[in-house]
Formats: sequence, structure tokens, C-alpha cells
Amino acid sequence: GNSVTQMEGPVTLSEEAFLTINCTYTATGYPSLFWYVQYPGEGLQLLLKATKADDKGSNKGFEATYRKETTSFHLEKGSVQVSDSAVYFCALSTGTYKYIFGTGTRLKVLA
Amino acid sequence: DTEVTQTPKHLVMGMTNKKSLKCEQHMGHRAMYWYKQKAKKPPELMFVYSYEKLSINESVPSRFSPECPNSSLLNLHLHALQPEDSALYLCASSHPGLAAGPDRNEQFFGPGTRLTVL
Repeated sequence: GNSVTQMEGPVTLSEEAFLTINCTYTATGYPSLFWYVQYPGEGLQLLLKATKADDKGSNKGFEATYRKETTSFHLEKGSVQVSDSAVYFCALSTGTYKYIFGTGTRLKVLA
Repeated sequence: DTEVTQTPKHLVMGMTNKKSLKCEQHMGHRAMYWYKQKAKKPPELMFVYSYEKLSINESVPSRFSPECPNSSLLNLHLHALQPEDSALYLCASSHPGLAAGPDRNEQFFGPGTRLTVL
């Protein structure tokens, strides 16, 4: 079946550090891949997406590349800020209504 | 307008109360979703409406009753809830499944309703 595996958190970084949050997936066909961010007390916001292999999604300094050969969609940011502290969810969709979410990774950035 | 709105933001109810959650979008999406999210967990799908018809019910207890009065509105009626139903309830919308184009499958989420059942 389809699944998403996300690295365990929490991840604690100092401001301006480099961020990587790993996400790998198992899916039949050609899924779309997403990263959502959830700030404390809020809903999910789409951070970036990729709909086919080798696509790179980017937004607000975050990037992720859809790697079919390694079935991965790792989230990266070159320099994190305190305001990036949130929970990050990797998700896939195979064209039906159901998203498959990863377990979420909590990021804490210290000033 | 790329926003999904939800009301109320917070709701406290007793186990014998009847209340409703409301969700609205004006993006022309014809699929709408209810999710339940417990603390430190990903959202769990509850219901999906497609073209105002219930398409998916993830074996949700009957004390939760969804309703889609039109293509922009989605309600969740609550009755005789249990304390373990306390959670963040999220609404989302998207183009219908298998839609083509770069927005394929992208779901837009509302801010959620924080429900507490006493």
C-alpha cells in the first residue's frame, strides 16, 4: 500500500542553521508530493509541492525535489529562522481524494 | 479568494449537547473534506464530499453527521460526543479527484475548530 515515512523529531536547530527533514514514500503510479506546515494553534498550510519526477518545489526559502529513483522528497532550507518553528508534514496523493500523511516532524529553532 | 474559513474557532460542549461546525470556500472546488487531528498526530480523514455527494466515510461514528448544503459550504453536526472526541477539526477543499493540471490533488485547509468535549 501507499505510505510516507518521515524522520522522527523533534529537530532543534540554532537560527541560521541548515535544515533537512527527510521524507520517503511508497506508492503505486505517479503520486503528487506535498509539504505542509502547521504553526501552533493553526491549520495546515501548503508549503510546496511537486507533481512529477525531478520537479523541485520551492517557497519561502524551502525546497524539495521529487526523486523517483530514491522515492524521496526531502525538505531543505539553507538558513532557518525562529519563525520557522512549526510541525512539518510530508504527504502524497495518488489522484484519489485521500492524502497519505507522514507522522510530522516538529522543528524548534532557537535564537 | 484562496481561503477556507471555519467557524467557530473554539467550541466547548457537553456530552448531551448538539452543535455544528461550519466550513466555507469560494475557490470553486467541488471536493470538500473533514479531518480530525489529535495533538502531535497527522490529520485523519473523516469524510469527503464530491459534487455535494458523500463520497467517503471513513467509518466515522454516527454521532458525527456531515452535510454539504451547496458547493461552497460544508457542515459537521455533532451530537452526544465523548471526551475522546476532543480534537482539532479541519476542513479542506480541492478540485475533485483525478483532476488534471498542476493543482492536481492539492488540498487547501482551513484554520480548524478546536473542540473540547466535557
